[in-house]
Amino acid sequence: GAGVSQTPSNKVTEKGKYVELRCDPISGHTALYWYRQSLGQGLEFLIYFQGNSAPDKSGLPSDRFSAERTGGSVSTLTIQRTQQEDSAVYLCASSLLFPANTDTQYFGPGTRLTVL
Amino acid sequence: KNEVEQSPQNLTAQEGEFITINCSYSVGISALHWLQQHPGGGIVSLFMLSSGKKKHGRLIATINIQEKHSSLHITASHPRDSAVYICAVRSNRDDKIIFGKGTRLHILP
Repeated sequence: GAGVSQTPSNKVTEKGKYVELRCDPISGHTALYWYRQSLGQGLEFLIYFQGNSAPDKSGLPSDRFSAERTGGSVSTLTIQRTQQEDSAVYLCASSLLFPANTDTQYFGPGTRLTVL
Repeated sequence: KNEVEQSPQNLTAQEGEFITINCSYSVGISALHWLQQHPGGGIVSLFMLSSGKKKHGRLIATINIQEKHSSLHITASHPRDSAVYICAVRSNRDDKIIFGKGTRLHILP
């Protein structure tokens, strides 16, 4: 596609439920990043993928969070047993080359997650 | 103390003014990014720097690696420049991205 896409754009769920967020990066981009922005807060780095591999998962907020990437393309971020503090906009970005020392990250529109 | 500090937090200026936003960081980095987030929430990458200076239109970004400091300048500012400008660095220790809290810029017509 022309840019990074994320689905769904909005998700409202109840506390304790499972959610799955999807990111479709720009075709051919080897690096993929997940970020989170809580209401009124700054951006928070969650995890990045180099190809299908995530070298470091320590940025994920808790063990309820997991992420995977398959085929060097689509990535999913899943949250189990959602909590109200998980409410945020989840942003995905991709770049052509990892590490992005010579390339720019392109951001998706985000998924706004609301946990009731 | 945050690892990435931006100043000012908020800035209001008149159209046409020269704008400077500063970013200081305390970690070793492999790259520094300047991002723009519009009121609707969309994020656009403006610059990625590892040294020196870059210019794009009315925007100029500089970085001083020795002083661990970067500046984003906007010349001939315009109301459409109103947005939150975010500095982010990639740590050269673990490749994680660390964000500043952003500078909210409001340009008055």
